[in-house]
Amino acid sequence: DTGVSQDPRHKITKRGQNVTFRCDPISEHNRLYWYRQTLGQGPEFLTYFQNEAQLEKSRLLSDRFSAERPKGSFSTLEIQRTEQGDSAMYLCASSLTTGGDEKLFFGSGTQLSVL
Amino acid sequence: AQSVTQLDSHVSVSEGTPVLLRCNYSSSYSPSLFWYVQHPNKGLQLLLKYTSAATLVKGINGFEAEFKKSETSFHLTKPSAHMSDAAEYFCVVSVKGGYNKLIFGAGTRLAVHP
Repeated sequence: DTGVSQDPRHKITKRGQNVTFRCDPISEHNRLYWYRQTLGQGPEFLTYFQNEAQLEKSRLLSDRFSAERPKGSFSTLEIQRTEQGDSAMYLCASSLTTGGDEKLFFGSGTQLSVL
Repeated sequence: AQSVTQLDSHVSVSEGTPVLLRCNYSSSYSPSLFWYVQHPNKGLQLLLKYTSAATLVKGINGFEAEFKKSETSFHLTKPSAHMSDAAEYFCVVSVKGGYNKLIFGAGTRLAVHP
């Protein structure tokens, strides 16, 4: 399968611990997005990268959150000192911009539960 | 600011009957609108997209949506529901700005009964 891959699928952690998620986009895709989806809601935009540059961050992304995309390939999302409110599905999407229509491809997400 | 409102959190239909999932949008300019579907344990999948071309947009799996500017609506329809259509559906508007910052509605859960 050459779709967007996210790891792990599920993560259970205790409040105060740090967690890191990984996203592998579709090969050659230059844009990568992170979204967060809480129970009963639609996904909310967190941040996006154009190659290795992080070009926008949502207000939802507090100082405890950091995202990287070294070398413009895979991306990591780290949450420090997790809180119960961080419990959500974290979705990654990638796209290839060629001057025309941009189509996002989403991964299956990482489900985070903070106890 | 752009936003979408999905008017029904749950819709239940019988297999073989029509599907209607309702969505109203708010946008200060001509919007790009989408419908995405989310099956359990699978990634979000694009059903269809409106970008100011034809107002009736045909998507995958027999779904279509009609953009009505006068009603600020973008309802999703399908003539005949299939059991495999049971999923969560999201109406989405794209923020203007050269990249795909999407604003999702809260979702409509579609149940299909035999």
